[in-house]
Amino acid sequence: AQKVTQAQTEISVVEKEDVTLDCVYETRDTTYYLFWYKQPPSGELVFLIRRNSFDEQNEISGRYSWNFQKSTSSFNFTITASQVVDSAVYFCALSEAGGTSYGKLTFGQGTILTVHP
Amino acid sequence: NAGVTQTPKFQVLKTGQSMTLQCAQDMNHEYMSWYRQDPGMGLRLIHYSVGAGITDQGEVPNGYNVSRSTTEDFPLRLLSAAPSQTSVYFCASSAYPGGRSEQYFGPGTRLTVT
Repeated sequence: AQKVTQAQTEISVVEKEDVTLDCVYETRDTTYYLFWYKQPPSGELVFLIRRNSFDEQNEISGRYSWNFQKSTSSFNFTITASQVVDSAVYFCALSEAGGTSYGKLTFGQGTILTVHP
Repeated sequence: NAGVTQTPKFQVLKTGQSMTLQCAQDMNHEYMSWYRQDPGMGLRLIHYSVGAGITDQGEVPNGYNVSRSTTEDFPLRLLSAAPSQTSVYFCASSAYPGGRSEQYFGPGTRLTVT
C-alpha cells in the first residue's frame, strides 16, 4: 500500500529565511508520481509540481526547488527567501501508476508553514 | 474555461438529512474523484470514476453515493448525514489516470453536520 509521511506538522520562520518541507513516501510500484500542492488560507488546492519516478533530476522554479531521492524515498521541497505569501498548508502526494490502480492520490498529513514578517 | 466547479461552497445539515454536492468540469476529462479533507489527515479518496457510467469506491466510501451519467458531472450524495461527515470536500478531475497528468481540484465545499 502507498503511504506519504510529512513529519513536520507546523513550521514557523521569519521572512527571507530558507525553509525545507520534508516528504517521505512508501510504495511497492516501480512507476509512480509525486506531487506537491499548496493550500493557502483561502482553501483552494494549488498544484506546484509533478515528478515521475524515473526522473530524479532536481527542479528549480523561482524560489521553489525540489529534491527527489529514490534511495531515501524522499521528495523534499525548499522555499528560498521565504515570503509572507508563502504561508499555507503544503501537501505532498503520491500516485501509483501500475496494475489496476486507478492512480488515486495518497496525501501526506500536510505541513502548516507560517512566515512571519 | 471554468475548470472544476463545485456547489455549494458551504452547507449546514442536520443529522439524518440527505443532500447532493455538485461537481462539474469543462475540460472533457474522463477521470473524476471526490476527496474529503479532515484536520491532520490530508485528503482521502471517497469515490472515483474512470468515465461516464463507471464508478468505484475509494478509501472512505461509507455513507456516500456517486453516479456519473455524463463526462462533465460527478455528484456526491450523502444519504443520511452524520456528524462524522463534517469535512471539506474536494472534487478533482484529470485527463489520465495514475498520476500521468495533473489532477485539477475544485474550490471545495465546507460541510457541517450538526
